[in-house]
Amino acid sequence: GENVEQHPSTLSVQEGDSAVIKCTYSDSASNYFPWYKQELGKGPQLIIDIRSNVGEKKDQRIAVTLNKTAKHFSLHITETQPEDSAVYFCAASKGYSTLTFGKGTMLLVSP
Amino acid sequence: EAGVAQSPRYKIIEKRQSVAFWCNPISGHATLYWYQQILGQGPKLLIQFQNNGVVDDSQLPKDRFSAERLKGVDSTLKIQPAKLEDSAVYLCASSSQRVSTDTQYFGPGTRLTVL
Repeated sequence: GENVEQHPSTLSVQEGDSAVIKCTYSDSASNYFPWYKQELGKGPQLIIDIRSNVGEKKDQRIAVTLNKTAKHFSLHITETQPEDSAVYFCAASKGYSTLTFGKGTMLLVSP
Repeated sequence: EAGVAQSPRYKIIEKRQSVAFWCNPISGHATLYWYQQILGQGPKLLIQFQNNGVVDDSQLPKDRFSAERLKGVDSTLKIQPAKLEDSAVYLCASSSQRVSTDTQYFGPGTRLTVL
């Protein structure tokens, strides 16, 4: 089955800096890669996703890049703010299969 | 639009007791998922329903876990008897379709502590 590795496990940045979280996947047939943000005491919330026919996608301060050859994808957050502090999960899936999640990255943004 | 509702939010039980969690998905969503999230890990799928039928329960420990989705709407996940390693957050999610590219919307989860 699919295996998703996520790094780093924790990331501390100063407000205004950029943050990058990286994930690798094992199944070359995977074609959908969402990113979820989970705040304390809440369920994961989708923040951005990318499909395998696209190399990059942006939504304001958030961007995701995908390298299918290397089987890795990354989340980029620019101009970080304290409210960006949360746990971020990457995931991968294909067809009708369900999502396989990474272990998460705790992002801490200091004012 | 109302989100995915779950109850209770917290539950503390002793090992070998039974417990049940309830989920009400977003109205009209045909697909419902139950995930287990152990502290420090990502969610792991336990079971997936399409309407009121099970489409994937390969990772559900069937000797102690059971789930049902009556009339294709609400769902209940039960653990009987509970073990210490069942301590986790149980997340319910729903999506309008079964395809993996359809956004899954998560509820707030039920935090289970087994003593």
